[in-house]
Amino acid sequence: AQTVTQSQPEMSVQEAETVTLSCTYDTSESDYYLFWYKQPPSRQMILVIRQEAYKQQNATENRFSVNFQKAAKSFSLKISDSQLGDAAMYFCAYRPPAGNQFYFGTGTSLTVIP
Amino acid sequence: KAGVTQTPRYLIKTRGQQVTLSCSPISGHRSVSWYQQTPGQGLQFLFEYFSETQRNKGNFPGRFSGRQFSNSRSEMNVSTLELGDSALYLCASSRGGQGANEQYFGPGTRLTVT
Repeated sequence: AQTVTQSQPEMSVQEAETVTLSCTYDTSESDYYLFWYKQPPSRQMILVIRQEAYKQQNATENRFSVNFQKAAKSFSLKISDSQLGDAAMYFCAYRPPAGNQFYFGTGTSLTVIP
Repeated sequence: KAGVTQTPRYLIKTRGQQVTLSCSPISGHRSVSWYQQTPGQGLQFLFEYFSETQRNKGNFPGRFSGRQFSNSRSEMNVSTLELGDSALYLCASSRGGQGANEQYFGPGTRLTVT
C-alpha cells in the first residue's frame, strides 16, 4: 500500500523568511501525481501545488515551489517570503496513476512568527 | 464557478443514531470522495463515487455507506453512531478522468457524537 510520510509535525518560520516542509512517499509506480494542500484554521482544504511524476521540472506557484526527487521518493514544499496567512496545516498527498484515491500524510503545522 | 458545498456544517448526534451528510461537487466534476479527519488519524479515505458507482473504498466498517446521484451530488450515511465517529467529514470533488485530477475540498461537516 502507498504511504505518505511527513516527519515534521510542527514547523515555525519568521515572517518574510523561507521554510521547507518535508514529505516522502512509498510507491512502486513510475507514473503518479503529488500534491500539497493547505488547511488553515477555517478547516477549508486548499490546493497549493501539484507535480506530475513524469515531469522532471519542479512545479512552482508564486511563492510556493517543490523539490521533487523521484529516485529518493521525496517531495518537499518550499515557501518563500513567508506571510502570516501561510500559517496552516500542510498536507502532502499522493495519487496513483490509476483510480482516484488520494493518500495523505499526517500533516505539518506551520506557524509564522511576526 | 461555485465550489464544493457540504451540508450541514455542524451536527450533534447521540450514540446509536444514524446520520446523513450531503456534498454537492463543483459543476462538471463527476467524482466525489469522502474523508474522515480526526486529530489522531489525520485524513482517512472513506470512499469515492464516480458516475453513480462506488469506484474505491477505504478500510471502514459497513456502517459507513454512500451513494451518488445522477447530478453527481453525493450523500454519506453513518448508521449506529459510535463516540469514535466524532470527526470532521470532508468531501472532495474532481473531474475523475485521466490526468492529475486534483481534488477540491468542501468546508466539511463537523460531527459530534455524544
